[in-house]
Amino acid sequence: EPEVTQTPSHQVTQMGQEVILRCVPISNHLYFYWYRQILGQKVEFLVSFYNNEISEKSEIFDDQFSVERPDGSNFTLKIRSTKLEDSAMYFCASSMRLQGDQPQHFGDGTRLSIL
Amino acid sequence: DAKTTQPPSMDCAEGRAANLPCNHSTISGNEYVYWYRQIHSQGPQYIIHGLKNNETNEMASLIITEDRKSSTLILPHATLRDTAVYYCIVIFEGSGNTGKLIFGQGTTLQVKP
Repeated sequence: EPEVTQTPSHQVTQMGQEVILRCVPISNHLYFYWYRQILGQKVEFLVSFYNNEISEKSEIFDDQFSVERPDGSNFTLKIRSTKLEDSAMYFCASSMRLQGDQPQHFGDGTRLSIL
Repeated sequence: DAKTTQPPSMDCAEGRAANLPCNHSTISGNEYVYWYRQIHSQGPQYIIHGLKNNETNEMASLIITEDRKSSTLILPHATLRDTAVYYCIVIFEGSGNTGKLIFGQGTTLQVKP
């Protein structure tokens, strides 16, 4: 069964450094998402992306965050200048169509640790 | 905020059916009920969804009340590997939908031997 893959599984970065989290969505999916989960807290929506544009972003997704689909397979989340509070699990998801009747499929996440 | 209410935790004996309730009293006619689960900080895993009718797949069954204000996820023969946090999410279908999922706290299901 096709799946969403994320790399790296764990990223350790110094505060203030840039970090890029990578995702390979399911190949025929058209809608892409990033979520994050701070340890012990809820899964939170960050951004949705379709047709090379952001469809919606949350308040968390400020100017330090950006997303890109640089080619036909990868979907990346960049944090320009990381802060301690960016430490979290980051999940990528993709779907064939907007829900309704098409579920999002999630990767197993990247654990981001900011020192 | 999530539009659903779930009990924070439940226990189930291995091999027995696990019945997880969800209240979504403000659901509208074009909103689906979705269930996901998260096993120990892995990515959320899709289980099942429905609009009006009851649904069944290889993982679970979904029972939606006639007024659609509540639903129950049924795992017919729970195993230890079903220990997870289960999320009930209502999803709007229509113009303006961007696919955003709003997760609540979910129900932590503990399957015991």
